[in-house]
Amino acid sequence: AQTVTQSQPEMSVQEAETVTLSCTYDTSESDYYLFWYKQPPSRQMILVIRQEAYKQQNATENRFSVNFQKAAKSFSLKISDSQLGDAAMYFCAYSGMNSGYSTLTFGKGTMLLVSP
Amino acid sequence: GAGVSQSPRYKVAKRGQDVALRCDPISGHVSLFWYQQALGQGPEFLTYFQNEAQLDKSGLPSDRFFAERPEGSVSTLKIQRTQQEDSAVYLCASSLELALGNFGPGTRLTVL
Repeated sequence: AQTVTQSQPEMSVQEAETVTLSCTYDTSESDYYLFWYKQPPSRQMILVIRQEAYKQQNATENRFSVNFQKAAKSFSLKISDSQLGDAAMYFCAYSGMNSGYSTLTFGKGTMLLVSP
Repeated sequence: GAGVSQSPRYKVAKRGQDVALRCDPISGHVSLFWYQQALGQGPEFLTYFQNEAQLDKSGLPSDRFFAERPEGSVSTLKIQRTQQEDSAVYLCASSLELALGNFGPGTRLTVL
């Protein structure tokens, strides 16, 4: 079974600074997707960024970028120029070919605190 | 357009009661997913529909949990004879593409 591990229960960053959230995963599948989701206190889960395993280029969405290391099974999220609105729980998630890409396996999450 | 909506947003049930949680997906979204999120944890997959067909229900924790989507749009997750361990937030997501879900706000179920 696939597993997703987020080893940082909580991270802190100051406004305008950069923070990196870690995620590792375990799988034997050859094709899969990786995701970062943001869940603010209101609970609505929002997709931040997606990476397809066969693509070597790291995905980027504005201030959010990933460092995808396929051999190491590592998928970290970098948030640049942090803003107060970035404060939330961040979940790393995996979806693989064996499930037909129909299910997401989530990590336990990292709470990001942003201070002025 | 409107996102995924769920109702009720909060539900308190006495142990042993049956509950029904509703999900209204984004119009036209073929895929619909239910996840259970316990306090302080990541969401865990419960079940998946493509249109009205329930293609995967491997995550349902017991036969007390039942989900349906009879017309391929609105879905209902029913929990019979609720237990305290059923207390969680139940998230619904819909998608045009597999696994790329637009999540609803969730229903927080508390079983006393």
